[in-house]
Amino acid sequence: AQSVAQPEDQVNVAEGNPLTVKCTYSVSGNPYLFWYVQYPNRGLQFLLKYITGDNLVKGSYGFEAEFNKSQTSFHLKKPSALVSDSALYFCAVTGDNYGQNFVFGPGTRLSVLP
Amino acid sequence: DVKVTQSSRYLVKRTGEKVFLECVQDMDHENMFWYRQDPGLGLRLIYFSYDVKMKEKGDIPEGYSVSREKKERFSLILESASTNQTSMYLCASRPLVGRGGYGYTFGSGTRLTVV
Repeated sequence: AQSVAQPEDQVNVAEGNPLTVKCTYSVSGNPYLFWYVQYPNRGLQFLLKYITGDNLVKGSYGFEAEFNKSQTSFHLKKPSALVSDSALYFCAVTGDNYGQNFVFGPGTRLSVLP
Repeated sequence: DVKVTQSSRYLVKRTGEKVFLECVQDMDHENMFWYRQDPGLGLRLIYFSYDVKMKEKGDIPEGYSVSREKKERFSLILESASTNQTSMYLCASRPLVGRGGYGYTFGSGTRLTVV
C-alpha cells in the first residue's frame, strides 16, 4: 500500500534562512513524487515533481527537492525563505503501475517570520 | 493556460438539501477526482472517474454520489446535505498515465457550509 508521511505539522523559519519541509513515502514499484502548495482558501498548486533522472529536482518559486531512494524521502527545500512562502505544503506519491491514484501527506504548515 | 474550474467558491446550504458541486476541465484529461479537505485530516478521496460514465468509490464515499456524462465535467452530489459535510471540496484532473505526465491539476476549491 502507498503512504506518505510529513512528520512536522508546522515549520517556522525566519525570512532569509533556508527551509526544509520533510516527506517520506512508501510505494510499490518506482515512485513518482510531487510537492504541492496551498494558499488560504485556494486549491493546490503544483510545485515540482520527481519521475526519473536527477535526484535533485528544481521547481517553481525557487523551491527544490531531493529524492533519496535509500531513505525513501523527498524533502522540499529552499535556500532563502520569503514571507510569501508561508502556506500549506503537501507531498504526494504514486507508483508506476497504471491507474494508481495519488496518496497525499497530511500537509505541513510553513510560517516564514519577518 | 490549462484550467480546472469549480463553479462556486463559497456555498451555504441547509440540512437536507440536495447539493451539486460542478467541476469542468479544459485539458482533455481522462481522470477526474473529488476530494474533501478538513483541518488535521488532509485530503480525503471521495470519488474518482477514469472515463465518461465511469466512477469509482474513494476512501469516504458515504453520503455522496457523482456524475460524469461528459469527459470535461465531473459533478459531486450530496443527496441530503448534513452539517458534517461542511468542508472544503477540491476537484482535480489528471491525464491518463503515460500521456502528458502524471501531475494532478486542482481547481480553486468550493468551501461548503451546511447549516
